[in-house]
Amino acid sequence: EVQLVESGGGMVQPGGSLRLSCAASGFTFSSYWMAWVRQAPGEGLELVANIDLDGSEKYYVDSVKGRFTISRDNAKNSLYLQMNSLRADDTAVYYCARDWRYFDASGGYCDYWGQGTLVTVSS
Amino acid sequence: IVMTQSPATLSVSPGERATLSCRASQSVSTNLAWYRQKPGQAPRLLIYGASTRATGIPARFSGSGSGTEFTLTISSLQSEDFAVYYCQQYNNWPTFGQGTRLEIK
Repeated sequence: EVQLVESGGGMVQPGGSLRLSCAASGFTFSSYWMAWVRQAPGEGLELVANIDLDGSEKYYVDSVKGRFTISRDNAKNSLYLQMNSLRADDTAVYYCARDWRYFDASGGYCDYWGQGTLVTVSS
Repeated sequence: IVMTQSPATLSVSPGERATLSCRASQSVSTNLAWYRQKPGQAPRLLIYGASTRATGIPARFSGSGSGTEFTLTISSLQSEDFAVYYCQQYNNWPTFGQGTRLEIK
């Protein structure tokens, strides 16, 4: 059974930092792209970042470029999101998701999701 | 690519059929997925490739369309189907629609 379990969320002041983690199990982690998707309170879904199989390719939504860094450790079956210079509009539930795509595709869909971790940026 | 879903809210009676629409601002071929999100839960993949049901998704869910116009049809609505539905294109950087809330009439 595929499982994705996020951790690391919490409350932080504007300008602060947080590191989210996602522990994956039930599939060959190193064979899949992975992604972080967020959902602000009462709002829709937004892809924040995704990463390829070995971490050599990383892509970000414009609003987080230069502030967030996605990474993975295939030996630990884990995905991470380092979030720096946090702003109030980063407040959201952050979901870890498996990104399924064909080889060389430009994009993929999220076939499995974690339960999410809440990040609140407030003074 | 901007994804636009309609209507924003749809009221349907249990056992009836629901039809949800999704439009892309430019062609995405059939690189289109649908998700259902129940309150307090993570989204769940329903449809990918515009018309292929994901693992474990019942046959009452069907998707159609290509290019810029897509439809999700749910025949004979069950209680667990009253939720928010999102479409997502993955032809390039993935983007989601704003969602359609399916409520009990």
